[in-house]
Amino acid sequence: GENVEQHPSTLSVQEGDSAVIKCTYSDSASNYFPWYKQELGKRPQLIIDIRSNVGEKKDQRIAVTLNKTAKHFSLHITETQPEDSAVYFCAARYNFGNEKLTFGTGTRLTIIP
Amino acid sequence: NAGVMQNPRHLVRRRGQEARLRCSPMKGHSHVYWYRQLPEEGLKFMVYLQKENIIDESGMPKERFSAEFPKEGPSILRIQQVVRGDSAAYFCASSPPGQGNGYTFGSGTRLTVV
Repeated sequence: GENVEQHPSTLSVQEGDSAVIKCTYSDSASNYFPWYKQELGKRPQLIIDIRSNVGEKKDQRIAVTLNKTAKHFSLHITETQPEDSAVYFCAARYNFGNEKLTFGTGTRLTIIP
Repeated sequence: NAGVMQNPRHLVRRRGQEARLRCSPMKGHSHVYWYRQLPEEGLKFMVYLQKENIIDESGMPKERFSAEFPKEGPSILRIQQVVRGDSAAYFCASSPPGQGNGYTFGSGTRLTVV
């Protein structure tokens, strides 16, 4: 089955600086890669996603890049703000016919004011 | 659209009792997924269901755990004879039919076994 590794597990960034979180996946047939943000005690929420036919996607201060050859994808947050503090999870969908997502272990991002 | 509804939000059970967690997917969503999250840990896949069908239960423990998504009504995750190690947050998510769609998660049920 799919295996998703995520790094780093914790990340502290000065407010206004950029944050980068990286994930690798094991199955080359994976074709869908979402990112979720989970604030303390709350539900995970989808913040951005990318499909395997696209190399990069941007939404305001958030961007995701995908390198299919290396089987890794990254989340980039620019001009970080205190409200960006949360746990971020990457995920990968293994193949067609099974919509299951396999999640990474999460990155706790702390924005230092 | 009320989103994915889970109830109860908090559930306390004594060891040996049964826990029943309910999940109503978003309107128009026919796929339901259950995940377990231990404190300070990630989301572990348990089961993926469509109406009246279990599609993937590779993450479900072999004993005491079962899930269903009947033709009518919510999806149910049932844990029989609960033990302390079952204490966790259980999240349900749903997605519409078709491929490449992100999940919408419910608020979760926090199960505490005493």
